[in-house]
Amino acid sequence: GPKVLQIPSHQIIDMGQMVTLNCDPVSNHLYFYWYKQILGQQMEFLVNFYNGKVMEKSKLFKDQFSVERPDGSYFTLKIQPTALEDSAVYFCASSWTGGSQNTLYFGAGTRLSVL
Amino acid sequence: GEKVEQHESTLSVREGDSAVINCTYTDTASSYFPWYKQEAGKSLHFVIDIRSNVDRKQSQRLIVLLDKKAKRFSLHITATQPEDSAIYFCAASPYAQGLTFGLGTRVSVFP
Repeated sequence: GPKVLQIPSHQIIDMGQMVTLNCDPVSNHLYFYWYKQILGQQMEFLVNFYNGKVMEKSKLFKDQFSVERPDGSYFTLKIQPTALEDSAVYFCASSWTGGSQNTLYFGAGTRLSVL
Repeated sequence: GEKVEQHESTLSVREGDSAVINCTYTDTASSYFPWYKQEAGKSLHFVIDIRSNVDRKQSQRLIVLLDKKAKRFSLHITATQPEDSAIYFCAASPYAQGLTFGLGTRVSVFP
């Protein structure tokens, strides 16, 4: 079936540095999402993105977070600067149509460890 | 905002029996309830969903039930097979908002 690829699978970074998480969504999908899962907790919605713009974001999407998809390349989540509480697994997802009543295809996640 | 509780954290079933996973939600505006499956080392994979205009949906061995009054929905895996072993996540969403996930249920099917 359709696959969403996330690169890298694990990233270790010092607190205060910048990190970029990369997502290669399903090729004909138009809507892109990031979710965050802290160990032992629920996976939580961060942001969704369409046509070059953030459509909606949760309170977890702090000012230090930004997303973009320049020229149809990777859909990225950038955190600058990172904080200890940013340590989590970040899941990217994509869908063909918008609104959350549509099937999302997820990547395997990037585990971010902030030291 | 929406809160989803997934009542079983683990479930062990004998091959051929049924497994039932129950979830409850809090936001009466939620109208879409998908289920995802995650096998070891793999990404979440959509398995089935139900919308609030129906109270039952079946896809092969999977049945989802929705009780809007009780704000409860459930996944029934019938005639379980070893390949059904995985973590299952329920989710709920009011229209045009992000999905809220449960914590997941680890289902183990033993011979």
